[in-house]
Amino acid sequence: AQSVTQLDSQVPVFEEAPVELRCNYSSSVSVYLFWYVQYPNQGLQLLLKYLSGSTLVKGINGFEAEFNKSQTSFHLRKPSVHISDTAEYFCAVRFLEGSARQLTFGSGTQLTVLP
Amino acid sequence: GAVVSQHPSWVICKSGTSVKIECRSLDFQATTMFWYRQFPKQSLMLMATSNEGSKATYEQGVEKDKFLINHASLTLSTLTVTSAHPEDSSFYICSARWSTYEQYFGPGTRLTVT
Repeated sequence: AQSVTQLDSQVPVFEEAPVELRCNYSSSVSVYLFWYVQYPNQGLQLLLKYLSGSTLVKGINGFEAEFNKSQTSFHLRKPSVHISDTAEYFCAVRFLEGSARQLTFGSGTQLTVLP
Repeated sequence: GAVVSQHPSWVICKSGTSVKIECRSLDFQATTMFWYRQFPKQSLMLMATSNEGSKATYEQGVEKDKFLINHASLTLSTLTVTSAHPEDSSFYICSARWSTYEQYFGPGTRLTVT
């Protein structure tokens, strides 16, 4: 079965510390991978995406993620977080089979940056 | 980047009434639009997928007669919640896609049914 798992529902971290938000997926087919950020009462904003090519992708706001095919993971990282990074982060996967090819979302990780 | 708007951003309605939410792609033509529902502290759940000019495809468990979706043009889709009840209170987010790769999300609509 195809699924997306975000292992940590909440991640508290101090300002200027590094952070990693974990995402794993289960699939036997090729995938496109995405990370989105959601601020309170707002829609989703795309942080970065992996479609093909280099497995290390850089996104907006200093975030990056690495696609690891053997471990079926796409963890999000930032070397130094700011208070303004406090938000909900969603990993999403598009499984490349079927006609619809909809996005499947993980359950989300609440990142809280502490002063 | 591509922009998707939703209107209204927040609506309160009485139980038993209907409410319409609009989703527009402002600077691109969306071949496919999606409607999601999000409960507090939870992820997005896909409700339906619609292609311009054709009937929406609803996910299992979503009542098509209650959540009417119309995708009349390449830039506009509407979601009508008919005979709304308090359990329909939620955050509704639309998304639009013009290519295989990426979806753009609207800012969401907070529906409160009293």
